[in-house]
Amino acid sequence: DAGITQSPRHKVTETGTPVTLRCHQTENHRYMYWYRQDPGHGLRLIHYSYGVKDTDKGEVSDGYSVSRSKTEDFLLTLESATSSQTSVYFCAISAKVNTEAFFGQGTRLTVV
Amino acid sequence: AQSVTQPDIHITVSEGASLELRCNYSYGATPYLFWYVQSPGQGLQLLLKYFSGDTLVQGIKGFEAEFKRSQSSFNLRKPSVHWSDAAEYFCAVGARNGGSQGNLIFGKGTKLSVKP
Repeated sequence: DAGITQSPRHKVTETGTPVTLRCHQTENHRYMYWYRQDPGHGLRLIHYSYGVKDTDKGEVSDGYSVSRSKTEDFLLTLESATSSQTSVYFCAISAKVNTEAFFGQGTRLTVV
Repeated sequence: AQSVTQPDIHITVSEGASLELRCNYSYGATPYLFWYVQSPGQGLQLLLKYFSGDTLVQGIKGFEAEFKRSQSSFNLRKPSVHWSDAAEYFCAVGARNGGSQGNLIFGKGTKLSVKP
């Protein structure tokens, strides 16, 4: 299995609070992604990174920000959590653009 | 617009029966194609991929998929399903010339149930 660790694995937070999810990889892959998975929607891209300090928005980026200060770490921040951001969040990595991606185990976030 | 369609939301098959999961895509050119499997509470695991060459590709766990350019399809098959195959399956596509945007587009998934 690809060395991808997401933390925390589960989190419950209150509406309006900031939340940061972490993705750590040991594969030295250039590309990293944050997806959210919701029933009936499959996986939707939130943000992605194509190198240290190089990030861009995905399909559903509103309310989220990311940072990548090191190759191995990609952080996803919910600036002010809302109930609509209750979801399962997956980090993925890939060595080259649009080749296979490898996924972490996911973080289940509940906003109450 | 680029899209991936998995027409079947939920499929139930008997153990030992054959399986085919459908995937159709809409894309400007032939993309890279992938199938992933997700067991409950787990991340997505790559089953197989098509980049070029032979249009019938073999994957892990006895799965195979066939790329049909004329039908814009990449259907997943298995000759004999095992109870452990019960999971959700996702088809995904990626652009061959994605530039700086490395993004896979996923279908909404097909949930497979297996009857004893």
